[in-house]
Amino acid sequence: RKEVEQDPGPFNVPEGATVAFNCTYSNSASQSFFWYRQDCRKEPKLLMSVYSSGNEDGRFTAQLNRASQYISLLIRDSKLSDSATYLCVVNADPSGYSTLTFGKGTMLLVSP
Amino acid sequence: ETGVTQTPRHLVMGMTNKKSLKCEQHLGHNAMYWYKQSAKKPLELMFVYNFKEQTENNSVPSRFSPECPNSSHLFLHLHTLQPEDSALYLCASSQEGTTRQGAGYSPLHFGNGTRLTVT
Repeated sequence: RKEVEQDPGPFNVPEGATVAFNCTYSNSASQSFFWYRQDCRKEPKLLMSVYSSGNEDGRFTAQLNRASQYISLLIRDSKLSDSATYLCVVNADPSGYSTLTFGKGTMLLVSP
Repeated sequence: ETGVTQTPRHLVMGMTNKKSLKCEQHLGHNAMYWYKQSAKKPLELMFVYNFKEQTENNSVPSRFSPECPNSSHLFLHLHTLQPEDSALYLCASSQEGTTRQGAGYSPLHFGNGTRLTVT
C-alpha cells in the first residue's frame, strides 16, 4: 500500500457544485495532515491543516478519519478559480526523522 | 510574496555543465528542504536541513550536492546531470520544534521553483 494515495481525477464539476476528495494514508501513527493546492506550473501552497476534530475555512472543510486512515477535503460552491491540483500531505513516519509525504494530487476542473 | 525565493526560475544546462540553484527564506524558519517534482509523480524529497544539519538524504545521486551555510540560505549544486534530471526543483522551509526532532510536523512553505532542463 502506498504511503499516501489519492484519486488523480480529473474531477470535472460545474460552478457552484460541491465536490469532495479523499486521501488514504498507510501509517496509523501519522500525526500531521495537510491539504495543499498547486496551480499548473506553480509551487504548492498550503490550503489548510487538518485537525482531529475537523475544521472549516470558508467554503473548504477538512476532516480526518483515523479509524479508516483517510482525510477528506470538501469544497462547496465551487468557483472557476478553484481549478487546480489538490495535494494530500501526511507526516507518514512520525517515529523517526520523518518529513511530510505528498500524494500525487487530485486534479479539479471547474467549468462555467 | 511567498517568503521563500528561488533563483533562477528557469535553467537549461548541458550534461557537462556545473550550475547551482539558490534558495533564501525570510520567514525565520529553522528547516529547509529540496524537493524534485517530475511529471505525473508526487513530490520527491531530496534533502532536509534542520538547524543547518543535514538530517535526510534519501539516496539522491552524488551529482546533486546541497549546501546550507546558514538557516536562511540553501543551495543545490548540480554537475554532470542526466536528461532524466529535468524537472521542477522546489525549495521549502518550515519551523520545526527542536534540533533533534524529526521534521514533518509543521507545514511547508515553498519557493516558486526552478524549472530545470538538461540537454
